Amino acid sequence: EDQVTQSPEALRLQEGESSSLNCSYTVSGLRGLFWYRQDPGKGPEFLFTLYSAGEEKEKERLKATLTKKESFLHITAPKPEDSATYLCAARHNNAGNMLTFGGGTRLMVKP
Amino acid sequence: DTGVSQNPRHKITKRGQNVTFRCDPISEHNRLYWYRQTLGQGPEFLTYFQNEAQLEKSRLLSDRFSAERPKGSFSTLEIQRTEQGDSAMYLCASNHVGGIEVSRVGTGELFFGEGSRLTVL
Repeated sequence: EDQVTQSPEALRLQEGESSSLNCSYTVSGLRGLFWYRQDPGKGPEFLFTLYSAGEEKEKERLKATLTKKESFLHITAPKPEDSATYLCAARHNNAGNMLTFGGGTRLMVKP
Repeated sequence: DTGVSQNPRHKITKRGQNVTFRCDPISEHNRLYWYRQTLGQGPEFLTYFQNEAQLEKSRLLSDRFSAERPKGSFSTLEIQRTEQGDSAMYLCASNHVGGIEVSRVGTGELFFGEGSRLTVL
């Protein structure tokens, strides 16, 4: 069964303390690994798409990387406004247009 | 505002009642998706439309659920005979695939609305 697993479930950081979020996936024929940010009570907001192992994408303090079995979201010198739930999702060959989401990592950055 | 709009934002209903949610996608988007999200979990795919055609449905979409997109613009999601297990956030998303947008917008880059939260008592 296709699965997407994120760890840790929750992460508390001090402002400026860099860290990484993990997304491991077991899907057949990956056709894209996606990262979203979700603020409380809001819908997810698109961040990145990665298509092949070795690919990297960056946006401000965030960098997403992809290997054959997992993706990492690196957060460099986070600020309190980076606090949110970060979701990853995978689309695979037989999924049509369905994305399989992980459970998310709740990130809290304290000033 | 040109984003995805969902109504109502909150709905509280009693078990057994019917509820309907509406989604207005970004106007130039031809695809519209419904997802369901429970507390502490990631969104789960329910169904999607390309224009007015419903092309894919998840096993999660029981026969009490029906979705329509009659003119290829807004969509409605109706839940009949609601159960407590239906309590969740119902998320609508849209994107455009094909034509001049295909090079910029992949099928995974979804634009989500703020959701409709359903509480079944």
